[in-house]
Amino acid sequence: NAGVTQTPKFQVLKTGQSMTLQCAQDMNHEYMSWYRQDPGMGLRLIHYSVGAGITDQGEVPNGYNVSRSTTEDFPLRLLSAAPSQTSVYFCASSLGQADQPQHFGDGTRLSIL
Amino acid sequence: KNEVEQSPQNLTAQEGEFITINCSYSVGISALHWLQQHPGGGIVSLFMLSSGKKKHGRLIATINIQEKHSSLHITASHPRDSAVYICAVAADSARQLTFGSGTQLTVLP
Repeated sequence: NAGVTQTPKFQVLKTGQSMTLQCAQDMNHEYMSWYRQDPGMGLRLIHYSVGAGITDQGEVPNGYNVSRSTTEDFPLRLLSAAPSQTSVYFCASSLGQADQPQHFGDGTRLSIL
Repeated sequence: KNEVEQSPQNLTAQEGEFITINCSYSVGISALHWLQQHPGGGIVSLFMLSSGKKKHGRLIATINIQEKHSSLHITASHPRDSAVYICAVAADSARQLTFGSGTQLTVLP
């Protein structure tokens, strides 16, 4: 049982480049979310989805897009990378919403030069 | 917006000591999560609770809804418990989690 799989684990981009962080889960979870983790701060919610076809913004959505075409996949797109987006990104999923046990991916460490 | 405060930010203990990490939040919640993040970076869910107390092995989590406060206790601490412990709360709407900034625990042999 793979759980939540994030790819890539590491990525270096140049300012202005675009890329997609992949997140997939095999637990048939409806709720999926993307967070960023920065030094000295708690995880902050970027975008979340309560089911296929439904997405919503979190606390820090600017510069990121998401889509949820299937229950399993929830990719995060950086449209035009900026140094301020250097961070560690985590994808999480749960059976219901935020009041259910959360399952996290291993994270993607992203550096923007 | 719910504010989540954890204390202490850093904690160093000797192996075998009893450890307590505290979490306070500002508005009503539907659930509170305790998470563990090891130096490798992965995040693991330890507990989810909305009332009372839960125990798993040497870990105990309690919550006081009236006081908006939760504690995570580790009995007979061990160097492998060294990690960052994170508190997160789900608001009454349960759509989003708000995270504390974490407590870095180091247990020395």
